[in-house]
Amino acid sequence: EDQVTQSPEALRLQEGESSSLNCSYTVSGLRGLFWYRQDPGKGPEFLFTLYSAGEEKEKERLKATLTKKESFLHITAPKPEDSATYLCAVQGSNYKLTFGKGTLLTVNP
Amino acid sequence: NAGVTQTPKFQVLKTGQSMTLQCAQDMNHEYMSWYRQDPGMGLRLIHYSVGAGITDQGEVPNGYNVSRSTTEDFPLRLLSAAPSQTSVYFCASSYSRDRHYGYTFGSGTRLTVV
Repeated sequence: EDQVTQSPEALRLQEGESSSLNCSYTVSGLRGLFWYRQDPGKGPEFLFTLYSAGEEKEKERLKATLTKKESFLHITAPKPEDSATYLCAVQGSNYKLTFGKGTLLTVNP
Repeated sequence: NAGVTQTPKFQVLKTGQSMTLQCAQDMNHEYMSWYRQDPGMGLRLIHYSVGAGITDQGEVPNGYNVSRSTTEDFPLRLLSAAPSQTSVYFCASSYSRDRHYGYTFGSGTRLTVV
């Protein structure tokens, strides 16, 4: 059974304080690893897809990296508007998307 | 371009009642799916469809039915609501599940069963 574990569950940063979120996974036949952002009361918003170990993707202050067992979402000099829950998901050989429970990020001004 | 539209946004049902959660997308996406999101748990797949006339079960299908008569619409039916179905429901669509472009999610339906 595919599994995704995200850590920490919650992270509080000061504006400008860089950090990383972790997503560790086990999956049968990785097709892709995905990062989503979810704001309170809204649906998840797609950020990145990573397909193979060593791949990196960047978007503004966010950079996602992938190894064979985990992915990191690096947040550089975060701003209060980066506050959200960040979800990680993997798609295995059965095409099923398995989500983690998410990391709640709070960035204080 | 509206994306994925879900209605209603909020609903309260009594145990045993039935209802349909509506989902419509205007992006000509072939793949559509329903998830539920509960506190302390990841999003869980209820049912999905890879195209009009084709549906299949996900991880937690019991108590729910779906149909896909058009590309645009993918309603979720609760047959006889139970308190365990209290949750936030999200509809998601994608161009294809074969090459993942990233799902587009609706804004959700918050359902309470009393």
